[in-house]
Amino acid sequence: DAKTTQPNSMESNEEEPVHLPCNHSTISGTDYIHWYRQLPSQGPEYVIHGLTSNVNNRMASLAIAEDRKSSTLILHRATLRDAAVYYCILRASGAGSYQLTFGKGTKLSVIP
Amino acid sequence: DAGVTQSPTHLIKTRGQHVTLRCSPISGHKSVSWYQQVLGQGPQFIFQYYEKEERGRGNFPDRFSARQFPNYSSELNVNALLLGDSALYLCASSLFQYQETQYFGPGTRLLVL
Repeated sequence: DAKTTQPNSMESNEEEPVHLPCNHSTISGTDYIHWYRQLPSQGPEYVIHGLTSNVNNRMASLAIAEDRKSSTLILHRATLRDAAVYYCILRASGAGSYQLTFGKGTKLSVIP
Repeated sequence: DAGVTQSPTHLIKTRGQHVTLRCSPISGHKSVSWYQQVLGQGPQFIFQYYEKEERGRGNFPDRFSARQFPNYSSELNVNALLLGDSALYLCASSLFQYQETQYFGPGTRLLVL
C-alpha cells in the first residue's frame, strides 16, 4: 500500500469543526482512501472511505482533492469522545488488498 | 450484535515462554486478521485467515503462527517470547477476504518480562 503523511498531533475546541489532513502523493488510480480512528484503550474503528468523490456519513465527511494527492477528514462538531488517533490509509482494491497498513496517525486532542 | 471479542484481555509472560491469543469474529464474518501494535506505533499486519486458510502474512518471524477454526474463530500463537513481543495484539474481522471495512476487537495486551 502507498504511503501517507499526517501531522503527529492536532488540537481542537469542543463543538468546533476539525479538519484532519492527509497527504498521499504516490496514490495510484485504484487506491481507496480509508480513515480509521483509535480511541484510548480500544481497537481501531472504521470512520469513512472514498475513491474520488467527497463522501459523507454519520461520523464524518471526507474531502478528496481533485488530483487525489491529498484528502481531509472533517469532523463537523468535535466532542470529547472524538479525542483519538486518526489513521489515513491507502488500500488497493481487489486482490492483495486484505491488509491495512497503518502509519503513526494524528493524535487529536479536544479541549473542553 | 456482539462485536469482535478477544481473550484474554491482559497477559504477562516471561521470555522464552509460549502464548496463545484467541479471537471470535462478528457472527457471519469469515475473515480474521491479526495485528501487533507496539506502544506509540500504529498496528502492524501479522496474518489474515479466510475460510480457514492463510491468505496473507506480514513481516513477522516464524515464531508467530495462527489458525482459523471451522466456526471462524482464530488463535494466534507466539513461541519463544522476546521482550520485544510486548504489545497490544488486535484481531479484526470482515465478511469476506477483500471487504472494505475491518472491525477490530479491543485487543490483548501482552507483557513479556
